[in-house]
Amino acid sequence: DAGVIQSPRHEVTEMGQEVTLRCKPISGHDYLFWYRQTMMRGLELLIYFNNNVPIDDSGMPEDRFSAKMPNASFSNLKIQPSEPRDSAVYFCASSLGLNQPQHFGDGTRLSIL
Amino acid sequence: RKEVEQDPGPFNVPEGATVAFNCTYSNSASQSFFWYRQDCRKEPKLLMSVYSSGNEDGRFTAQLNRASQYISLLIRDSKLSDSATYLCVVNIGGNQFYFGTGTSLTVIP
Repeated sequence: DAGVIQSPRHEVTEMGQEVTLRCKPISGHDYLFWYRQTMMRGLELLIYFNNNVPIDDSGMPEDRFSAKMPNASFSNLKIQPSEPRDSAVYFCASSLGLNQPQHFGDGTRLSIL
Repeated sequence: RKEVEQDPGPFNVPEGATVAFNCTYSNSASQSFFWYRQDCRKEPKLLMSVYSSGNEDGRFTAQLNRASQYISLLIRDSKLSDSATYLCVVNIGGNQFYFGTGTSLTVIP
């Protein structure tokens, strides 16, 4: 079975550019989560969706970040404009329920120069 | 007080040793618990769910202590391949769940 699929695996771009990260959850999973991980701050929940509806976006750092889930099989996270401090690994995860284990994608390693 | 706390370590143990990690949580209404493992530069992967009665999977044992509000992970006969960061997750219910910051384990030959 395919797991959570994220793209791209790596992204290097200059500050000020728009960055789009993509995620395909496991089929049948109703929940989708976006995380950011850095050495300094660890794993941070940015936002999560239930049945394509954003439920909690309190972790989104600022207005430069936005996330959408237009259908059950796709979500994207956008950063516009990007800044060097956005450099991190961004993970997407999905689960059957909030009380169920989350399955993570391989992550996107983002470097903003 | 943080919702979930873990000793960051690092724990450095020799091969074959037994090592245990705890994860404390602050909300007594917490409903479900998990241990994840994260290798360097990889994604977190589910290691074990933690059940009220405790559960074992090979060399790994997870336990829940509701009275003292912590979960534990015991690794017996440590292998070099057990070296990783171990994250606990606590679901409070409703829309709330929390990841710990992780405990780093290095198993030394």
